[in-house]
Amino acid sequence: SAVISQKPSRDICQRGTSLTIQCQVDSQVTMMFWYRQQPGQSLTLIATANQGSEATYESGFVIDKFPISRPNLTFSTLTVSNMSPEDSSIYLCSVGDTQYFGPGTRLTVL
Amino acid sequence: QKEVEQDPGPLSVPEGAIVSLNCTYSNSAFQYFMWYRQYSRKGPELLMYTYSSGNKEDGRFTAQVDKSSKYISLFIRDSQPSDSATYLCAMSGDSGGSNYKLTFGKGTLLTVNP
Repeated sequence: SAVISQKPSRDICQRGTSLTIQCQVDSQVTMMFWYRQQPGQSLTLIATANQGSEATYESGFVIDKFPISRPNLTFSTLTVSNMSPEDSSIYLCSVGDTQYFGPGTRLTVL
Repeated sequence: QKEVEQDPGPLSVPEGAIVSLNCTYSNSAFQYFMWYRQYSRKGPELLMYTYSSGNKEDGRFTAQVDKSSKYISLFIRDSQPSDSATYLCAMSGDSGGSNYKLTFGKGTLLTVNP
C-alpha cells in the first residue's frame, strides 16, 4: 500500500481565483490520478499524470482549467483555475494499480 | 444508461445484520471489480478486488461477480457500527498501463445501528 497526503485539506475560495492542490506519496509510483467527487455524484477521473509526460485528460476536462504538474515520481499538483461555484467539490489523488486514494481536498467556491 | 448503477440508499440496519450492496453495469469489457469504503471526510479505501466472475471472501466481507448478468455484490456479515460508511463499487477493463481507468458507482450510504 501507499501513504498519500494532500494539501490543503480544505479551502474556501473566491470566484475567479485559482487553487493548487498538492499530492505527496511515500513511495515512487509511475501513475497518479486526479479525481473529482461532487455531492451526489460518482467519483470522476479528471486526468492521469505520468512523470515526464503531459497529463492525459478525460472527456469534459481540459488542461487550461485543470493544469497538472508531475515533477517526480512521488509528487503531483492539480490546479483548479478561474474557479466558479460549480467547481465546489472534493478533489482526490490516487496511485497504484488498485488505486489507493489520498484523503481529499474539500474545495468551496463562493 | 449510466455505465455503472448503484442504489445510493441510504441503507440502515441493526448491528449484526447481513448487509447486501449491489451494482449493475452495462460495459461488457469490464474485467476488474472493486469495492471501496469511504468514511465521512476521508478518501476511499480499497476493501475488495476481484477479477472476472466468482466469489472472494475476506473476513466478514464477500464480493461476488456475475459477469453474465453484469451484476456485482458485496456482502457484510455480522455488521458493526464501525462499518457505517459509504460503499463505492468500481470497475475497469484493464489492470494497468496507460489505458487504466476506474468507473465508479455513486456509492451507497450504510448506517449500522448499535
